[in-house]
Amino acid sequence: GAGVSQSPSNKVTEKGKDVELRCDPISGHTALYWYRQSLGQGLEFLIYFQGNSAPDKSGLPSDRFSAERTGGSVSTLTIQRTQQEDSAVYLCASKAGGPRETQYFGPGTRLLVL
Amino acid sequence: QKEVEQNSGPLSVPEGAIASLNCTYSDRGSQSFFWYRQYSGKSPELIMFIYSNGDKEDGRFTAQLNKASQYVSLLIRDSQPSDSATYLCAVSFNQGGKLIFGQGTELSVKP
Repeated sequence: GAGVSQSPSNKVTEKGKDVELRCDPISGHTALYWYRQSLGQGLEFLIYFQGNSAPDKSGLPSDRFSAERTGGSVSTLTIQRTQQEDSAVYLCASKAGGPRETQYFGPGTRLLVL
Repeated sequence: QKEVEQNSGPLSVPEGAIASLNCTYSDRGSQSFFWYRQYSGKSPELIMFIYSNGDKEDGRFTAQLNKASQYVSLLIRDSQPSDSATYLCAVSFNQGGKLIFGQGTELSVKP
C-alpha cells in the first residue's frame, strides 16, 4: 500500500516568510509525528498526534511552530516568520495504534530559509 | 533530560566483517528500542526493534538489549558495501510512542 507522503519535497523561502508543510499518513494509522533533522544532526521530535487526544507539543522549538491534523488524517506543520536556523529536513512519520507499533517515515521536506 | 547517545563514527569495516554499533540511553523507564538505517539524502527506514532483554536476530542483523546497563547494540554480520549508511538508535519512553533519537553512527563498509 501507499506509504507516508509529504509535500513539497523541497521548499526555499525567504527569512520572515511563513511556510506550510503537509503530511499524508498511511491510511488507518492513528498516530502521526513530526520530526526535523538539521544538517549532520539526529532527528529531533517536534509534535505528536494520537487519535482525538490533545497533541503532544513538547518538542516544538518556539511559538512560531504549530501543527494541526484535520479529520484524523492529513497534517500541516506551519512555521511562521521563518529564520535561517529553521533550515532542515522536516520528516513526518505515522504508526498504527499502540506504543510498540513501528513508525514509518515519509520522504521529508527539505526547507531552506535564505 | 532524556538522552540517547551513540558514537558518531565514522565506523569503517571491511566487507564481510562484523559491524558493531552501540547505543546508550539515560531513562530506565524506556520501553521500546529501534534501529533505523538512513542513507544519505533519504528518510530513515526501520531495521530492527527490540523490547526485551537479550538478543533478537533477523537475517544478518542482531539487536542486543541490556536494560540493566541501559545499553542496546546492533550487530551486522557479513557486512556489505550496501550497508554503508548512518544508523540511528531510537528509544520510546512509552509516552505515546514518540521516539528519541541518537545522533547516529556513520558506517562505511569497504570492498
